[in-house]
Amino acid sequence: TQLLEQSPQFLSIQEGENLTVYCNSSSVFSSLQWYRQEPGEGPVLLVTVVTGGEVKKLKRLTFQFGDARKDSSLHITAAQPGDTGLYLCAGKYNAGNMLTFGGGTRLMVKP
Amino acid sequence: EPEVTQTPSHQVTQMGQEVILRCVPISNHLYFYWYRQILGQKVEFLVSFYNNEISEKSEIFDDQFSVERPDGSNFTLKIRSTKLEDSAMYFCASGGTSLGEKLFFGSGTQLSVL
Repeated sequence: TQLLEQSPQFLSIQEGENLTVYCNSSSVFSSLQWYRQEPGEGPVLLVTVVTGGEVKKLKRLTFQFGDARKDSSLHITAAQPGDTGLYLCAGKYNAGNMLTFGGGTRLMVKP
Repeated sequence: EPEVTQTPSHQVTQMGQEVILRCVPISNHLYFYWYRQILGQKVEFLVSFYNNEISEKSEIFDDQFSVERPDGSNFTLKIRSTKLEDSAMYFCASGGTSLGEKLFFGSGTQLSVL
């Protein structure tokens, strides 16, 4: 059974601060996705990373895939209250489409 | 943007009863999934469905569970005899025309087994 660990579980910061969320596994991912989930809604895909060392940017969000494809990070620059939510990483370990989710990081950005 | 629709949003049932959770995937999608999230726990994969058959399933998806695409638009998850531990948020997701395309999740059905 593959395990995917996210840290931190909770993060409360002030508007304007930077933050990084981590996603780690002992197994190699074929690809990894980051989702954001709002209360009462399903996860919404933010990005997919596939290649080791890959970096993708989405406005103030920077996603990095580790060289060995076992870890990933999400960095938010100058966080805003609108960034508040649950951030989930989810990895695929084989050629199928089954996603293994991390436990999530619940982010609160205070104005 | 097209969306995945799930009904009902909340379902309360007695232990031992059968429930059917319904999903309308995005119309041109070919890959369909059920995931669940027990309160306070991780989102867990249940089953994937393609070309009218199950393509992958997890250990959770035992003989009490079944999926069906009865009419080309709906995608259902049936739990034959619900247990207390089946209480969870059940998410349907659909993906496009090739494996690996973006998944779109519905808003979920909150199932409470009493």
